Amino acid sequence: AQTVTQSQPEMSVQEAETVTLSCTYDTSENNYYLFWYKQPPSRQMILVIRQEAYKQQNATENRFSVNFQKAAKSFSLKISDSQLGDTAMYFCASGGYSGAGSYQLTFGKGTKLSVIP
Amino acid sequence: DAGVTQSPTHLIKTRGQQVTLRCSPKSGHDTVSWYQQALGQGPQFIFQYYEEEERQRGNFPDRFSGHQFPNYSSELNVNALLLGDSALYLCASSLAGTAEAFFGQGTRLTVV
Repeated sequence: AQTVTQSQPEMSVQEAETVTLSCTYDTSENNYYLFWYKQPPSRQMILVIRQEAYKQQNATENRFSVNFQKAAKSFSLKISDSQLGDTAMYFCASGGYSGAGSYQLTFGKGTKLSVIP
Repeated sequence: DAGVTQSPTHLIKTRGQQVTLRCSPKSGHDTVSWYQQALGQGPQFIFQYYEEEERQRGNFPDRFSGHQFPNYSSELNVNALLLGDSALYLCASSLAGTAEAFFGQGTRLTVV
């Protein structure tokens, strides 16, 4: 069984500033992935960034980067140069291998990020 | 390249009725997963289909069933609707053996 915890229900950041969203997870799997998804008011879940658990190097995608601490089971998302379009719900998810080539995503409850002009 | 498409976008049903939601996966994907997202919550895994069979199932009652067609599209059926079934239903597609999932825009189901 996997659990994902996001301890910050809401956060705000000034435009052009940097913000970090926190996530901790628990899993008994050795083969798993971690993701951050963004869900704007349009409802569609958009993949922001992914991290393979077997890779030590932190993933980076343009203004988005993660701090992956495997031993601490921590997976935070840093957004640099925040833009108004970054306003959305952000979900941390763990993708655990559940057998027969199948992965299943477990999501946290989300962090509502507001970027203030 | 079409992404994941779901239909309908909104639906209102009466308690006790049955509903069918539809999903077409992203081109090249062969696996479809369904998630239920209650208001203010993260998505919860319902089940996953691959090769027209249910491969994994979350903690949902048998009132929730599904189907996958030879073209990889999928349906989610919910029988005997309860008020608590009101939620956003998300479909996600992926390639078998990979964890990365792409989501549709969801179907907002309201049970009255």
